[in-house]
Amino acid sequence: RKEVEQDPGPFNVPEGATVAFNCTYSNSASQSFFWYRQDCRKEPKLLMSVYSSGNEDGRFTAQLNRASQYISLLIRDSKLSDSATYLCVVNIGRDDKIIFGKGTRLHILP
Amino acid sequence: DVKVTQSSRYLVKRTGEKVFLECVQDMDHENMFWYRQDPGLGLRLIYFSYDVKMKEKGDIPEGYSVSREKKERFSLILESASTNQTSMYLCASSWVDVSNQPQHFGDGTRLSIL
Repeated sequence: RKEVEQDPGPFNVPEGATVAFNCTYSNSASQSFFWYRQDCRKEPKLLMSVYSSGNEDGRFTAQLNRASQYISLLIRDSKLSDSATYLCVVNIGRDDKIIFGKGTRLHILP
Repeated sequence: DVKVTQSSRYLVKRTGEKVFLECVQDMDHENMFWYRQDPGLGLRLIYFSYDVKMKEKGDIPEGYSVSREKKERFSLILESASTNQTSMYLCASSWVDVSNQPQHFGDGTRLSIL
């Protein structure tokens, strides 16, 4: 099993819809989780941290499922500007090593 | 806001040249990182540094070296550039607790080796 795995997509979603995607991780000792957003030919930017109890930031909700070892990102009322690649980041619990997923591409359709 | 600045957005060099990529951060972060990002391969860690003059190899250090003489500056050096080092290079920085602190990225340098 890969250390961090994401569905590469693309997810093609109509504007206004709700979309969710997951990121699975293999190391049960992982402690820290983040979602980043990366626009085409730009750098990754932190979208939100993922807390054990789940957290919300506007239209974005992040959740952690330790039992099944995945994190999720849900986007409500999607906007055209949400089109991007979403990277999950996991601390794999060994020497504080951080692993980036390869990203999920999201296209919001008008 | 954290500011991570990379010296060039686009760079074209020739095979065999020695190439320097510079990165400066203004948040007094202890940790600094160099990644490369290639289609289908995602972000791969080349080197990182957790203090001045300290460096650790990442997953793909071959063909690269780094220098951290000052806390705010982390340089990536391609000793003898090769075409397979054509890539997007991203610098990042974070606070000392790597596992719990997010990394902040520079704009990236798109390097082409001819």
